[in-house]
Amino acid sequence: GQSLEQPSEVTAVEGAIVQINCTYQTSGFYGLSWYQQHDGGAPTFLSYNGLDGLEETGRFSSFLSRSDSYGYLLLQELQMKDSASYFCAVKSGSARQLTFGSGTQLTVLP
Amino acid sequence: DGGITQSPKYLFRKEGQNVTLSCEQNLNHDAMYWYRQDPGQGLRLIYYSQIVNDFQKGDIAEGYSVSREKKESFPLTVTSAQKNPTAFYLCASSIRPGLRSYEQYFGPGTRLTVT
Repeated sequence: GQSLEQPSEVTAVEGAIVQINCTYQTSGFYGLSWYQQHDGGAPTFLSYNGLDGLEETGRFSSFLSRSDSYGYLLLQELQMKDSASYFCAVKSGSARQLTFGSGTQLTVLP
Repeated sequence: DGGITQSPKYLFRKEGQNVTLSCEQNLNHDAMYWYRQDPGQGLRLIYYSQIVNDFQKGDIAEGYSVSREKKESFPLTVTSAQKNPTAFYLCASSIRPGLRSYEQYFGPGTRLTVT
């Protein structure tokens, strides 16, 4: 089967940097995606890592180490609007579908 | 504007009734997906379709059925056989099955309550 682990909650202050880790166990791994979901809203795609290394998109960066089955999402210059749930999702298997983690609730304090 | 629409936003049903959730997209995406989300949980895949007139079971397909008669539409029926149907249902699409499935676009969701 497949499993993903990420912290359930993270708290940080406005302007700070926060890292949300994700470890996974899966077969037929292709890559790791990250999604953001505000309360009651639709998930929105943030980033994807198909290869080892760092991908940067504005204030957000994502990292993947395939050998360690590990990735993280890095959020810099935190803003209040970044308070949301963040999900890692592995793309794997013959159908290359996504399997989502349980999510990390990020709270940004003033 | 292109996007995915789901209706209704809130749905209430009595136990034992089948209910169909609507999902329409005008993004010209080939692949469509249905997920279920329970409070404090991640998304679990119910069904997906990579092309018209074809669909595959996801991880939790029991008690659900789908159809894909048009590229734009992928309705989900929650049948009376689904033992715990109360949940938040999300429909998504991606431009290509497989290759770009890592980037999915989600609709606003339907919150189903069965009593």
